[in-house]
Amino acid sequence: QVQLVESGGGVVQPGGSLRLSCVASGFTFRSYTLHWVRQAPGKGLEWVATLWYDGSQTYYADSVKDRFTISRDISEKTLFLQMNNLRADDAAVYYCARDLVAMTVVTHFFDLWGQGTLVTVSS
Amino acid sequence: DIQMTQSPSSLSASVGDRVTITCRASQGIRNFLAWYQQKPGEVPKLLIYAASTLQSGVPSRFSGSGSGTDFTLTVSSLQPEDVATYYCQNYNSVPLTFGGGTRVEIK
Repeated sequence: QVQLVESGGGVVQPGGSLRLSCVASGFTFRSYTLHWVRQAPGKGLEWVATLWYDGSQTYYADSVKDRFTISRDISEKTLFLQMNNLRADDAAVYYCARDLVAMTVVTHFFDLWGQGTLVTVSS
Repeated sequence: DIQMTQSPSSLSASVGDRVTITCRASQGIRNFLAWYQQKPGEVPKLLIYAASTLQSGVPSRFSGSGSGTDFTLTVSSLQPEDVATYYCQNYNSVPLTFGGGTRVEIK
């Protein structure tokens, strides 16, 4: 079954850290550019980070740059998002998402989404 | 950064109505635009990409058009299962940006 399954969300204090994971199955993990997208409660979608399929490039939203790191473990077919120095406005459901087209670094739109993992930032 | 502005932010229409949602980019994005549907409590679903290409499995009552800065998503005959929030997304350049969403309800 082609799917993405996130985990790692939870409650963290401001300034704390969390690492989110996204396990892929049913497709060739190393052939797809992957992303993290978040959605604050009751709000719209916000792109967070991108990791190219070949692992050569990463991109981040300005709001998370220098605090978040996207990475992957090909052998485990897992995408990660290391989140440091968390702030109240980072609270959201975090989705991992896959490009529709394999082996592209140009057309980043998402045909496969995980179910999301909730991050709450509160003291 | 390219800003994506959707209008209206919400609408209410009757079953069978033709519904149009507009998305405007702050600068030209060619046809690098996608549309998503997010039903309450669900994950976003890709409807259209390249401004007008229907994703596999999406009903043909959905269509997209536009290029450059102005885009539209049209539902030719609104159905009860179309109640959702719809988002446009620019993928012409990083940062990837979404519109604010349009909530569609049944009158």
